[in-house]
Amino acid sequence: EAQVTQNPRYLITVTGKKLTVTCSQNMNHEYMSWYRQDPGLGLRQIYYSMNVEVTDKGDVPEGYKVSRKEKRNFPLILESPSPNQTSLYFCASSLGTGRAYEQYFGPGTRLTVT
Amino acid sequence: KQEVTQIPAALSVPEGENLVLNCSFTDSAIYNLQWFRQDPGKGLTSLLLIQSSQREQTSGRLNASLDKSSGRSTLYIAASQPGDSATYLCAVGSGYSTLTFGKGTMLLVSP
Repeated sequence: EAQVTQNPRYLITVTGKKLTVTCSQNMNHEYMSWYRQDPGLGLRQIYYSMNVEVTDKGDVPEGYKVSRKEKRNFPLILESPSPNQTSLYFCASSLGTGRAYEQYFGPGTRLTVT
Repeated sequence: KQEVTQIPAALSVPEGENLVLNCSFTDSAIYNLQWFRQDPGKGLTSLLLIQSSQREQTSGRLNASLDKSSGRSTLYIAASQPGDSATYLCAVGSGYSTLTFGKGTMLLVSP
């Protein structure tokens, strides 16, 4: 089944403790991205990747890191999480970018930082 | 900077009604527009993708239209059912990298 998977689905952590949220897709998609969703603010893009070893900042990159060493994986790293990073995180992928390419979203990771 | 607005923010209708959800965007230089459905606490399910050169797309009881020049899209749901209850999100693809989302319309269809 074609899908985008994220792990973990739920995570409660403390301020300053480094964490990684994994994202993997099995559709051989080139483009992957991370979003966060907050009440009243909607979905905002954190980082995106056009291909292996090619990443760039989205609208809200502060406090996050990403890497794209393999085509299928795009982990989101929080080096020193803070309470304002409590949010619902989504990973997405698409075959390419531009008019014809639909983005597919993972199930989400709910992160709470205390 | 692209801004996407969805009206109404919430909508409650009885089962069987036809309904229209609205989406407007400020910059007409778009690549595509995508409608998503989100169930509470769940991920996003893609419903329809309209390319910038297209006027509409249909899938089952759903029809989405796009008027790029006026910066508007509508999602038409025919013969609504309780299972259609969810939040509907409009997202505009404005470049190679970015989907800009509206804040959504929360739909409740009562039996």
